Amino acid sequence: NAGVTQTPKFRVLKTGQSMTLLCAQDMNHEYMYWYRQDPGMGLRLIHYSVGEGTTAKGEVPDGYNVSRLKKQNFLLGLESAAPSQTSVYFCASSEPPRDNGYTFGSGTRLTVV
Amino acid sequence: GESVGLHLPTLSVQEGDNSIINCAYSNSASDYFIWYKQESGKGPQFIIDIRSNMDKRQGQRVTVLLNKTVKHLSLQIAATQPGDSAVYFCGQKGQNFVFGPGTRLSVLP
Repeated sequence: NAGVTQTPKFRVLKTGQSMTLLCAQDMNHEYMYWYRQDPGMGLRLIHYSVGEGTTAKGEVPDGYNVSRLKKQNFLLGLESAAPSQTSVYFCASSEPPRDNGYTFGSGTRLTVV
Repeated sequence: GESVGLHLPTLSVQEGDNSIINCAYSNSASDYFIWYKQESGKGPQFIIDIRSNMDKRQGQRVTVLLNKTVKHLSLQIAATQPGDSAVYFCGQKGQNFVFGPGTRLSVLP
């Protein structure tokens, strides 16, 4: 059972480049989330989705866009990467009600130079 | 307790001893709390959860204690093993979960 799969695992971007991070889950979960994790800080929510075709802003949405065209996939896009977006990105999914725990992917380490 | 900064709080324990990891939360309205374990280079893994109508819940070698009066959560790990070395962080349910930065547990041989 794969759970939550993130691709790619590592990426180095130049300032101004764009890229898309892909998250796929095979648990038929309704909710999906994108977090970033920076040294010494807790996971911060970027965007989330409560169902196919829906997205919402989290705590730190600026500079990111997301799409949930299929229930199993949640894409995170960076249109013009900045060094401040250097981070480890985690995708998670969960099933309503929201007080179920999240299942996390293994992360994408992104470096913007 | 949890703190925001560049350096995680660190707890070093001898193998076989019990570990206690603490977490202070801010939202007194939260009714659900959760602990995750994150090993180096991996995603967070669910350990144990607790609802606000409980003050203690036990799992396999782990116990979570909730003190709503002082908004404090703790994770106890019995007979700590080398495989327990990781960052542990708590989460509290609001509209979405809010997570603390975590505590790094190091198990000494």
